[in-house]
Amino acid sequence: GAVVSQHPSWVICKSGTSVKIECRSLDFQATTMFWYRQFPKQSLMLMATSNEGSKATYEQGVEKDKFLINHASLTLSTLTVTSAHPEDSSFYICSARDGRGLSGKLFFGSGTQLSVL
Amino acid sequence: DAKTTQPNSMESNEEEPVHLPCNHSTISGTDYIHWYRQLPSQGPEYVIHGLTSNVNNRMASLAIAEDRKSSTLILHRATLRDAAVYYCILRDNFGNEKLTFGTGTRLTIIP
Repeated sequence: GAVVSQHPSWVICKSGTSVKIECRSLDFQATTMFWYRQFPKQSLMLMATSNEGSKATYEQGVEKDKFLINHASLTLSTLTVTSAHPEDSSFYICSARDGRGLSGKLFFGSGTQLSVL
Repeated sequence: DAKTTQPNSMESNEEEPVHLPCNHSTISGTDYIHWYRQLPSQGPEYVIHGLTSNVNNRMASLAIAEDRKSSTLILHRATLRDAAVYYCILRDNFGNEKLTFGTGTRLTIIP
């Protein structure tokens, strides 16, 4: 099946620094990728939809200047958490749809645990 | 997106079948029923999906009510590795691509 690779798996950073998370579709092209955030014991919350070659679409309440999304190619989307603060500590997960076929199922990365000190 | 309702948690004994229910009374005609599961500290993984007919794959079976207002994910023989949070999600393949996750059902497998 299709594979989505997310890197890094975990990252610890100091408050005020920026962190970049990469999401790659390894064996298929993804014109659209999605970024989620998940706090402990809670469900996934969609942050934004990343569109190849155009601006991302952010969900209500998500600061686009803080969570920068770049979808430079059909296989790579990046999420940069700028000036991270402890409240940004969370589990970040990307996903992509394999456009082949009409199943519409999404494939998810393994997630990135961000801890901001 | 139409909403789904699932029990917060369920328990099952190892090697027994598990039936995970999902109610989606406001489902529309173009909504597919998707099931994903999330193992601890991992991203979700696709389990199964269907539109009207029951579906089977190597992981599970999906039984869809005739009126499509409810569905049941069936794990035929639960193992400890099936312990996860199971999400039932409706998705319109002809419009909105994003998946909106509810709270899901946390399945505990008892050895």
